[in-house]
Amino acid sequence: ETGVTQTPRHLVMGMTNKKSLKCEQHLGHNAMYWYKQSAKKPLELMFVYNFKEQTENNSVPSRFSPECPNSSHLFLHLHTLQPEDSALYLCASSHPGTGRLWGETQYFGPGTRLLVL
Amino acid sequence: DAKTTQPPSMDCAEGRAANLPCNHSTISGNEYVYWYRQIHSQGPQYIIHGLKNNETNEMASLIITEDRKSSTLILPHATLRDTAVYYCIVLPGGSSNTGKLIFGQGTTLQVKP
Repeated sequence: ETGVTQTPRHLVMGMTNKKSLKCEQHLGHNAMYWYKQSAKKPLELMFVYNFKEQTENNSVPSRFSPECPNSSHLFLHLHTLQPEDSALYLCASSHPGTGRLWGETQYFGPGTRLLVL
Repeated sequence: DAKTTQPPSMDCAEGRAANLPCNHSTISGNEYVYWYRQIHSQGPQYIIHGLKNNETNEMASLIITEDRKSSTLILPHATLRDTAVYYCIVLPGGSSNTGKLIFGQGTTLQVKP
């Protein structure tokens, strides 16, 4: 257990559905991240939030919409996805820019495995 | 951020030391070397990081060459549970660090009985 939980763990959705992924951290961190891992590809950073403000959007299509209502929770809202969006979606958290290192150590959740039909 | 190069795969016998190399020849003075690993279908796990001195924790040791152009992660007594993809990542420190972890392909370590 890393202190970062993600729900659901598995999700199957059609291309016209709307769904949301949830991430929660109990580590007192103020930075949270969404990553995508497609089959046989490296992890790709999608979004970064620092103290609830989005500080990074890595050219992610608008069909992915993040939300960070507070420092402990992060959502990824999904709508009109494509089959190629099927992947493992990982959430992570870390301490923000204090001291020497920004985002020094990121703690990852177990991920949500998404299948888009 | 500096780019890293790792061998795509390695084998190690159970109980032996696993030595995973990483080249980062373009590393700059304020960049740290981080190691994470990802066991199949799980989220990545932080292992260790260092700047220029060798580091050791309960999981592993990190040896960084004097010119800082390469490093080696050492798992002193590999077990079957250490089978995973190991990622070497270089990150700047201080205000230059935006928290972005750039994962490459990593090294797939297979620990064999």
